[in-house]
Amino acid sequence: AQSVAQPEDQVNVAEGNPLTVKCTYSVSGNPYLFWYVQYPNRGLQFLLKYITGDNLVKGSYGFEAEFNKSQTSFHLKKPSALVSDSALYFCAVRGRAAGNKLTFGGGTRVLVKP
Amino acid sequence: DAGVIQSPRHEVTEMGQEVTLRCKPISGHDYLFWYRQTMMRGLELLIYFNNNVPIDDSGMPEDRFSAKMPNASFSTLKIQPSEPRDSAVYFCASTSFPGEAFFGQGTRLTVV
Repeated sequence: AQSVAQPEDQVNVAEGNPLTVKCTYSVSGNPYLFWYVQYPNRGLQFLLKYITGDNLVKGSYGFEAEFNKSQTSFHLKKPSALVSDSALYFCAVRGRAAGNKLTFGGGTRVLVKP
Repeated sequence: DAGVIQSPRHEVTEMGQEVTLRCKPISGHDYLFWYRQTMMRGLELLIYFNNNVPIDDSGMPEDRFSAKMPNASFSTLKIQPSEPRDSAVYFCASTSFPGEAFFGQGTRLTVV
């Protein structure tokens, strides 16, 4: 069975500092990995994805993520956090072996303080 | 495309009543997912379809929940009878494989 773990329920960071949100996954075969962000009372918005190719993926709003196959990780990063980045972040995985199911982690709340 | 459209946005109903949530996926997407979000359990996958066929409904909590996809442009999630513990935000998402999923705005269900 495929799964996603986001080990931190909340990440606190000062504005202007680097932001990292951790994600590890388990899937049979090639992983297809995604990050989403959710603002209050909104649906999930797509940030970036890894399908194949470069291990460093760049996405919306200055976010990037690094795919590490040996560590089965896909951590989300932003070099300089903004107060407006405060939101709930979800990592997700899809794999053919699991019927192309889209499985999400538990989410990490990010709080960026001025 | 207007994106994934869910209706209603908010639903308040009394315990025991039937509730139907609706979803219109993005045209051309062949996968449709239904999720439920609560503070306690996070984002749970309830059921998903591929080409209108249910693939995995193992996340459906009980027989009170049912979902259908009669055609490529419409899906419903029905709860009958509803209970207070069903109160949550229900999301629909559509995608093609292996692309990203696009989510609707969700339906906030309150059962009193």
